[in-house]
Amino acid sequence: DAGVIQSPRHEVTEMGQEVTLRCKPISGHNSLFWYRQTMMRGLELLIYFNNNVPIDDSGMPEDRFSAKMPNASFSTLKIQPSEPRDSAVYFCASSLQLAGPDTQYFGPGTRLTVL
Amino acid sequence: AQKVTQAQTEISVVEKEDVTLDCVYETRDTTYYLFWYKQPPSGELVFLIRRNSFDEQNEISGRYSWNFQKSTSSFNFTITASQVVDSAVYFCALSEVGGSQGNLIFGKGTKLSVKP
Repeated sequence: DAGVIQSPRHEVTEMGQEVTLRCKPISGHNSLFWYRQTMMRGLELLIYFNNNVPIDDSGMPEDRFSAKMPNASFSTLKIQPSEPRDSAVYFCASSLQLAGPDTQYFGPGTRLTVL
Repeated sequence: AQKVTQAQTEISVVEKEDVTLDCVYETRDTTYYLFWYKQPPSGELVFLIRRNSFDEQNEISGRYSWNFQKSTSSFNFTITASQVVDSAVYFCALSEVGGSQGNLIFGKGTKLSVKP
């Protein structure tokens, strides 16, 4: 079975450029999460979708960050304009949430470097 | 407020030693879930175990075992007869049923190095 798929795996860009990260959740899962991992802050939730609807975006750092989930099999996280402090590993995770929090399965991550 | 503390930043052991990774959590919810994830040097996050707050039975899976104690708000993870392949960063995480369901609150992680 295919796990969570993320692309690209690595992205190097210059400050000010737009960056788009992509995620395909596990088929049948109804919840999708975007996390960011840095040395300073560890793993932190950016945004969470349930049935394609954003439920909690309180972790999105600022207006430069936006996320969409146009259908059950695809989500994007966009940073525009990017800044060096956005350099991090971005993980997408998905789960099947019915009665309560269920196990989140993570993609391999996208390592973003903003110069 | 919810919080997960992994006080051990780094642990180094020699192969075949047993090692316990500590996890202490804080929550006001009576219903919650606890998780352990492994992050090997390759970087992916691998799910190890999920436990709900009503199930305090200890769990064993091969060389791995988990000890959940609500009285001390701890969910510790023990690796028996450690192997070099166990070298990784291990994260403990908490998810509450109320509020933003599914939001995983992670600890800072414990880096385990197993030397041959």
